[in-house]
Amino acid sequence: QKEVEQDPGPLSVPEGAIVSLNCTYSNSAFQYFMWYRQYSRKGPELLMYTYSSGNKEDGRFTAQVDKSSKYISLFIRDSQPSDSATYLCAMSETSYDKVIFGPGTSLSVIP
Amino acid sequence: KAGVTQTPRYLIKTRGQQVTLSCSPISGHRSVSWYQQTPGQGLQFLFEYFSETQRNKGNFPGRFSGRQFSNSRSEMNVSTLELGDSALYLCASSLEGPEQYFGPGTRLTVT
Repeated sequence: QKEVEQDPGPLSVPEGAIVSLNCTYSNSAFQYFMWYRQYSRKGPELLMYTYSSGNKEDGRFTAQVDKSSKYISLFIRDSQPSDSATYLCAMSETSYDKVIFGPGTSLSVIP
Repeated sequence: KAGVTQTPRYLIKTRGQQVTLSCSPISGHRSVSWYQQTPGQGLQFLFEYFSETQRNKGNFPGRFSGRQFSNSRSEMNVSTLELGDSALYLCASSLEGPEQYFGPGTRLTVT
């Protein structure tokens, strides 16, 4: 079992839809959780960063962390074609520990 | 503020050769991490340097090495290249905490 798992997709949705992206993990010591977006042939771009459990909202993006279930989610409201990319979750135990990435979910938003 | 820069952007090498990749972090960032990204394995952590010291290390063979200079710039070296080393090599910097900012990557092709 991999330390961090994501459904690889591809996930295809119509423009304007609400998108839900998810990750599960096995290490209960993870406390820091990030979401990255990666466009083709580019480096990953940090979208959201949360510490411990709870929700965080930034514009059309909401990140949720449920440590009891070892499950994190990223919601995208009013999805746009420009949101078409691969979304990577990432997590670490401490602020100075190595960061472990999920394999990524490919999202396509159709106009 | 300038982002993370990586040079070169593209590289073609032959099996058995060695290669050196360079990364300049965001000004003020003292942590630099290196990752290998391939379609099959996703984003794999190589190592992290903080204030010229290797702070974390992934599970790669000793052919992969790195260093960090006093100005936080970092280099990664791969010796005795193998076909399987063909990948996108990404560098990421951080100020403090696990949130990282990635460069555009160096695409290495080994023939």
